[in-house]
Amino acid sequence: DSGVTQTPKHLITATGQRVTLRCSPRSGDLSVYWYQQSLDQGLQFLIQYYNGEERAKGNILERFSAQQFPDLHSELNLSSLELGDSALYFCASSADFLGTDTQYFGPGTRLTVL
Amino acid sequence: GQQVMQIPQYQHVQEGEDFTTYCNSSTTLSNIQWYKQRPGGHPVFLIQLVKSGEVKKQKRLTFQFGEAKKNSSLHITATQTTDVGTYFCVYRGGSNYKLTFGKGTLLTVNP
Repeated sequence: DSGVTQTPKHLITATGQRVTLRCSPRSGDLSVYWYQQSLDQGLQFLIQYYNGEERAKGNILERFSAQQFPDLHSELNLSSLELGDSALYFCASSADFLGTDTQYFGPGTRLTVL
Repeated sequence: GQQVMQIPQYQHVQEGEDFTTYCNSSTTLSNIQWYKQRPGGHPVFLIQLVKSGEVKKQKRLTFQFGEAKKNSSLHITATQTTDVGTYFCVYRGGSNYKLTFGKGTLLTVNP
């Protein structure tokens, strides 16, 4: 158990819909990272937040947005969903700002878009 | 832009054989991390390498960072079925501190 929790575990929805994925970091970690893992694209970094502020941006689509709240939990919002958005979404947390510390991954949310 | 290639993409070995995966970068890396993901699981941190020529060992696993800090390798001696999974190298680079995972090497071990 990494100490990072993600909900829900599974999500099935239809194209065009909007969903919210939630992540609670390990106690004391200020950084939260979001990743998308699909079979053809591998593990893609989406975005990082540190103590409520966006720190680094990766391959995140404009239809996707994220935020980190004062209690440090984070949400990833995916809108206008397409079939290609079906993937495993991981959240990770670390103590540091630069991301050079160990990242602890949550169990992931499997999103299926029908 | 910075490109890191991880090879091989797949490797199947008999239990007891050795295994090596490589990450090669077109530019100098400040550091590199290695993660392992078991089938159906999430990535788990293995190690971070920072210094030129650094070598670190964890039991049967040996990690190396090249002298020029452009390549890294993970070597497993005498593989076991518990070594099955995908091994990723991870680095941070570019002006936006974008984290990049290599494509990973999927290791399967035949008992």
